[in-house]
Amino acid sequence: GENVEQHPSTLSVQEGDSAVIKCTYSDSASNYFPWYKQELGKRPQLIIDIRSNVGEKKDQRIAVTLNKTAKHFSLHITETQPEDSAVYFCAATASGGSYIPTFGRGTSLIVHP
Amino acid sequence: NAGVTQTPKFQVLKTGQSMTLQCAQDMNHNSMYWYRQDPGMGLRLIYYSASEGTTDKGEVPNGYNVSRLNKREFSLRLESAAPSQTSVYFCASSGGTGNQPQHFGDGTRLSIL
Repeated sequence: GENVEQHPSTLSVQEGDSAVIKCTYSDSASNYFPWYKQELGKRPQLIIDIRSNVGEKKDQRIAVTLNKTAKHFSLHITETQPEDSAVYFCAATASGGSYIPTFGRGTSLIVHP
Repeated sequence: NAGVTQTPKFQVLKTGQSMTLQCAQDMNHNSMYWYRQDPGMGLRLIYYSASEGTTDKGEVPNGYNVSRLNKREFSLRLESAAPSQTSVYFCASSGGTGNQPQHFGDGTRLSIL
């Protein structure tokens, strides 16, 4: 089955800095890669996703890049703000099967004012 | 739209008691999921239902049962609760085509004494 590794587990940055979270996956059939943000005590919510037919996608201060050859994808947050502090999860889903996403274990991002 | 609604939000049980967690979605999604979230473990899939009338085991199904009552509702039952089942439980739904994001409920915080 699919295996998703996510690094780092904890990331501490100063407000205004950039943050990068990386995920690797094992199943070359995976073609959908969402990122979820979970604030303390809240539910995970989708912040951005990318499909295998593109290499990069941006939405204001966040971007995701995908390298299918190397089987890794990354979340980039620029000009971080304290409200970006949360746990971020990556996931990978393969088509043609049961469409069950495999999640990374999460990255706790702390943005210091 | 309410999205995904879970009940109850909090519950305390004694070891050996049973209970059912309820989940309903109003987005006409085919697929529904139950996850548990424990510190440092990310989201672990308990059971899922790819479509109405089908259910399948996920990564950690032992001690749980599910029912896909209709397209909207997917319940999770603990027949004989154990302290190891103390966790936060999330229900989610998705369009079910493999390249659609999951929508999560607000979670049920379950403590078993």
